[in-house]
Amino acid sequence: SYVLTQPPSVSVAPGQTARITCGGHKIGTKNVHWYQQRPGQAPVLVLYDDSDRPSGVPERFSGSNSGNTATLTINRVEPGDEADYYCQVWDSSGSDFVIFGGGAKLTVL
Amino acid sequence: EVQLLESGGGLVQPGGSLRLSCAVSGFIFGNHAMTWVRQAPGKGLEWVSSISGSETSRYYAASVKGRFTISRDNSRNTLILQMNSLRAEDTAVYFCAKDRYSSGSGSDFWGQGTLVTVSS
Repeated sequence: SYVLTQPPSVSVAPGQTARITCGGHKIGTKNVHWYQQRPGQAPVLVLYDDSDRPSGVPERFSGSNSGNTATLTINRVEPGDEADYYCQVWDSSGSDFVIFGGGAKLTVL
Repeated sequence: EVQLLESGGGLVQPGGSLRLSCAVSGFIFGNHAMTWVRQAPGKGLEWVSSISGSETSRYYAASVKGRFTISRDNSRNTLILQMNSLRAEDTAVYFCAKDRYSSGSGSDFWGQGTLVTVSS
């Protein structure tokens, strides 16, 4: 089954840039979606198809995807951005069609 | 306003069954695939199952295939997850989610989740 690998944690000071990676074999050939989940809340889609933002998501959130790594970038990080971030892809080659990364906890110092 | 409301969670013994429902409003239900995702306590997100808008395609995680059945009633705007032969490892919060269009296109709206506890 396809595997997505995320760092368990990312730390950044307010106002700085956070980059959260998502590694997978030839992930650049897939559409990657990103979700933000604050404690006790449901996930929220923050990027779809690698880099598109749903309505209401700040422009500070951007994404890229190439080769074996997709990246969620959050510019000018704010305390409210502290959350778990999950990447997701669709993969029809294995037993599971929808794959989530293990999640990365973003800590705003 | 898009709304999704899960119900049906609770405590069930191993080997038992439970039926989760997700009532939706605020969008044309039949035009969108729907997905169930679960999250065990303190763990990450785990995809469970997805169904196309017309119910012609259903997809299951290997961990639940043969035990869980996803269905939908487009006339009642309701998504269903029938869970049989439940195991302790099925204990989780179960979220229903609206897909942007087809399965795998990303889930743009989520319910608040319903807790399923499998324990004797």
